[in-house]
Amino acid sequence: DVVVTQSPLSLPVTLGQPASISCRSSQSLVYSDGNTYLNWFQQRPGHSPRRLIYTVSNRDSGVPDRFSGSGSDTDFTLTISRVEAEDVGIYYCMQGTHSITFGQGTRLEIK
Amino acid sequence: QVQLQESGPGLVKPSQTLSLTCTVSGGPINSGGYYWSWIRQHPGKGLEWIGYIYYSGSTYYNPSLKSRVTISMDTFENQFSLKLTSVTAADTAVYYCAGGLKWELLFDYWGQGTLVTVSS
Repeated sequence: DVVVTQSPLSLPVTLGQPASISCRSSQSLVYSDGNTYLNWFQQRPGHSPRRLIYTVSNRDSGVPDRFSGSGSDTDFTLTISRVEAEDVGIYYCMQGTHSITFGQGTRLEIK
Repeated sequence: QVQLQESGPGLVKPSQTLSLTCTVSGGPINSGGYYWSWIRQHPGKGLEWIGYIYYSGSTYYNPSLKSRVTISMDTFENQFSLKLTSVTAADTAVYYCAGGLKWELLFDYWGQGTLVTVSS
């Protein structure tokens, strides 16, 4: 089974400062079609998850451009360039190359 | 805009079968290319994918739950359903239904989630 490991699990950030979350996979996430199926989701308190990024670096419609995704093979990063209060929540990476698995989640809070 | 709504009992007894339905509005469930999934979240924990049914009716389940899970669809009612057999307290969770067009766009749309508690 592919294991997806996020770090850190808790991320206190000052408003206006950048934040980064790492997602590492136990196997390469490059699929035979050449795509890398690594997505990022945000779950605000009391809400359903919402996808932010698909296939590593493609931002979903309506997602602020302060969110960006990068990485390749087994190592991926979600970056928030300047954290705002509405970014508080839990962030999950999800791989869809080998079945579907989620990372454990990273809780972002404001310092 | 596609919208999803879960429904079903909030309390299930141990060893019984958990049954939930997701009603889809805003488009036909058998529209080409759509994956319809169930995902759960144990209290205070992360997300666990349960399985999906493709618009054509084919299914694929999380190997860890495969022996107990069935996902089906009703195109007339525009719904898809989850059955999880032989439940225990470990199956207590918020259950979400989700949908997406194309594999890279999995989980485009989410229901609001429904809490199912397994208890006698």
